[in-house]
Amino acid sequence: ETGVTQTPRHLVMGMTNKKSLKCEQHLGHNAMYWYKQSAKKPLELMFVYSLEERVENNSVPSRFSPECPNSSHLFLHLHTLQPEDSALYLCASSRSLDRTGDNEQFFGPGTRLTVL
Amino acid sequence: AQSVAQPEDQVNVAEGNPLTVKCTYSVSGNPYLFWYVQYPNRGLQFLLKYITGDNLVKGSYGFEAEFNKSQTSFHLKKPSALVSDSALYFCAVRDRSNYQLIWGAGTKLIIKP
Repeated sequence: ETGVTQTPRHLVMGMTNKKSLKCEQHLGHNAMYWYKQSAKKPLELMFVYSLEERVENNSVPSRFSPECPNSSHLFLHLHTLQPEDSALYLCASSRSLDRTGDNEQFFGPGTRLTVL
Repeated sequence: AQSVAQPEDQVNVAEGNPLTVKCTYSVSGNPYLFWYVQYPNRGLQFLLKYITGDNLVKGSYGFEAEFNKSQTSFHLKKPSALVSDSALYFCAVRDRSNYQLIWGAGTKLIIKP
């Protein structure tokens, strides 16, 4: 729908499982983001990558591990999660990280994660 | 601290009536201002933005937003609501010296037939 795809759309995992979320953007963008969306709260920025280099890690616990093998793909590896990690995880991309106004973010549909 | 406030968790409007979704911000300087919409089971979609110039910005699906610098507000409006406008609306602001967006908590808009 927006040029950013995410798989899986839904994921249920136990606290001891290891799983990965995948994001792919088909927009030719150079920056990619992971956000956590919880009900009635602002979006929480987790990680930012620019040209495959991580430029932001907003105090995210080490049980979340991002990977950006190229500018089109972004992964979020999950390990030993807690029930409070249950949320919608959104991937986004933008043309770059420049400071101009003409640089809005485009979002994928998200992965609904439930940790039991 | 920089912040964005969407004072209403939910707004209810009858179909055909005008709608307003409020947003105020506390960000230094002249920030960029954005509205995004999230339909059920979908990601956020960009609606409109204010960069500079005319305070009234027009966007997708007939929405518009009015920038008011003195009140530090960027309210989203539509003259005649449709049932299909029912969704979650997010206001976001970006300092011109930064690439990160500061998000509001979202407002659920319900349009009743």
